[in-house]
Amino acid sequence: EAGVAQSPRYKIIEKRQSVAFWCNPISGHATLYWYQQILGQGPKLLIQFQNNGVVDDSQLPKDRFSAERLKGVDSTLKIQPAKLEDSAVYLCASSLAGSYEQYFGPGTRLTVT
Amino acid sequence: KQEVTQIPAALSVPEGENLVLNCSFTDSAIYNLQWFRQDPGKGLTSLLLIQSSQREQTSGRLNASLDKSSGRSTLYIAASQPGDSATYLCAVRGGYQKVTFGTGTKLQVIP
Repeated sequence: EAGVAQSPRYKIIEKRQSVAFWCNPISGHATLYWYQQILGQGPKLLIQFQNNGVVDDSQLPKDRFSAERLKGVDSTLKIQPAKLEDSAVYLCASSLAGSYEQYFGPGTRLTVT
Repeated sequence: KQEVTQIPAALSVPEGENLVLNCSFTDSAIYNLQWFRQDPGKGLTSLLLIQSSQREQTSGRLNASLDKSSGRSTLYIAASQPGDSATYLCAVRGGYQKVTFGTGTKLQVIP
């Protein structure tokens, strides 16, 4: 069974630029999560989708971050414009509806200079 | 607001020792608790998932317990090995299915 796929693995951008991350969950997993993990901290949930609907986006900085999951499968997280404090690893996870056991992708390491 | 604490932040033990990692949470109204390990520069690997109705789960040398009333979970690792060196994270799923992670315990097992 293929795991959660993410791309790119690494990204370096200058502040005020925009960036997008892509995630493809495990086949059949209805729930998809995006997390931000700053160095030395635990992951912080940014947004949770159930199919293509948003379950929780209370910690998503909506003035600069956006996410979509149009067909209920893969998802894109965008930052525009980026700030220095957005430097972090962005993790995508998925789970079966009802099971809630999360499976994580390898993450995208973003550096904002 | 759910707060999840993991103590200690770092732990160093000699190979072969049994050890316990702690996870505390402030709101006992949870659906489940999941333990993960994270290797440097990599994503998270699921170790054990405990539903709110369960008291413990076991997988190989790992045993996780849950005491909802006291807001605590422990991860017991038996006969530690150098390959167990990693950061261990707990995550609590609470009201509205919201997931909150702890800050992790960085474990080093010395050969």
